[in-house]
Amino acid sequence: DTAVSQTPKYLVTQMGNDKSIKCEQNLGHDTMYWYKQDSKKFLKIMFSYNNKELIINETVPNRFSPKSPDKAHLNLHINSLELGDSAVYFCASSSQGDGYTFGSGTRLTVV
Amino acid sequence: KNEVEQSPQNLTAQEGEFITINCSYSVGISALHWLQQHPGGGIVSLFMLSSGKKKHGRLIATINIQEKHSSLHITASHPRDSAVYICAARTGNQFYFGTGTSLTVIP
Repeated sequence: DTAVSQTPKYLVTQMGNDKSIKCEQNLGHDTMYWYKQDSKKFLKIMFSYNNKELIINETVPNRFSPKSPDKAHLNLHINSLELGDSAVYFCASSSQGDGYTFGSGTRLTVV
Repeated sequence: KNEVEQSPQNLTAQEGEFITINCSYSVGISALHWLQQHPGGGIVSLFMLSSGKKKHGRLIATINIQEKHSSLHITASHPRDSAVYICAARTGNQFYFGTGTSLTVIP
């Protein structure tokens, strides 16, 4: 199946831990994104990345870092997790002139 | 004030009704997106617009660049259209999201 797949689907972890969420797309898209959706369902972009440029939303804490081993992957690393990091994180990809394809989301709960 | 404003915030309609969701934005855009988020949480990209009008099945999206306004229309609405519809304005690599319109279509 052609898609954007992210793992894990659910992640429960304690404050202070470091965790990663993986994202892979097999659509041949050149740009990938990470979004955060908070408890009020408001979507906010965190990062956009193609093989040339990483654009960071300046409001994202530097505890969050994207890592892209290749064009098909953009993983999200989070250090020193805080309660306020609890949210649903969506990965997405696109190509110039195309719409977006979203992953199914990762629900992160920090306890 | 949010760069992208949607209205209404919540909408309940009877099956078969014609539905309009509005989106106004204050930034210069390279494209405007309409997204659909189902109750299960998955997000689907419905349209990407930079001018004019696009149609896909019962869904129609229009944009007026001069007025900085876009509308999403659903004809012959159906309970399976119940979802949150999100407008997103893209300027270069920046995205500004509306807070979403929660639509419930009653049989």
